[in-house]
Amino acid sequence: AQSVAQPEDQVNVAEGNPLTVKCTYSVSGNPYLFWYVQYPNRGLQFLLKYITGDNLVKGSYGFEAEFNKSQTSFHLKKPSALVSDSALYFCAVRDEDSSASKIIFGSGTRLSIRP
Amino acid sequence: NAGVTQTPKFRILKIGQSMTLQCTQDMNHNYMYWYRQDPGMGLKLIYYSVGAGITDKGEVPNGYNVSRSTTEDFPLRLELAAPSQTSVYFCASSPLAQGRTFFGQGTRLTVV
Repeated sequence: AQSVAQPEDQVNVAEGNPLTVKCTYSVSGNPYLFWYVQYPNRGLQFLLKYITGDNLVKGSYGFEAEFNKSQTSFHLKKPSALVSDSALYFCAVRDEDSSASKIIFGSGTRLSIRP
Repeated sequence: NAGVTQTPKFRILKIGQSMTLQCTQDMNHNYMYWYRQDPGMGLKLIYYSVGAGITDKGEVPNGYNVSRSTTEDFPLRLELAAPSQTSVYFCASSPLAQGRTFFGQGTRLTVV
């Protein structure tokens, strides 16, 4: 069965510093991996996805994520954090080999950027 | 395109009442999903559909039912509402298994 884990409930970073939000996954086949962001009282918004190809994926708002197959990780990164990046971030995974076609979300990591 | 539209945005139900959360998408997506998000928690998959006429259970289906008579609509039915169903409900759709998922704005449901 597929699963995804976000080991940190909260990440605190000073504005201008680099940030990393961690995500690890487990699938039986090849993974499709996604990052979404949720602002207060809003639905989730797509940031980026990894399907195949280059392990470094670039997405919206200056975010990028690195796919590491050996560590089964897909950490979200940004070189220089902004206060406006403060939000709830979700990692999600779908198993390419699964006939169920379900996308499973992690529990979320709250990112807090201090001025 | 309006994307994924959910109605209502807010609702208060009494214990034992029933209601239907409406969801429609105008992107001709095959895949549709219902999630619930409890305060401070992640998303839990309730039901999903890979096309009209096909539905399947997710992680937390108990107390809910769905139907998918058309590609556009994927209503979620709550029978005999319980306080444990107090949550924010998100409908979502995607065009392909590897495609991004588009979310509605959510329905905040309180059962009292």
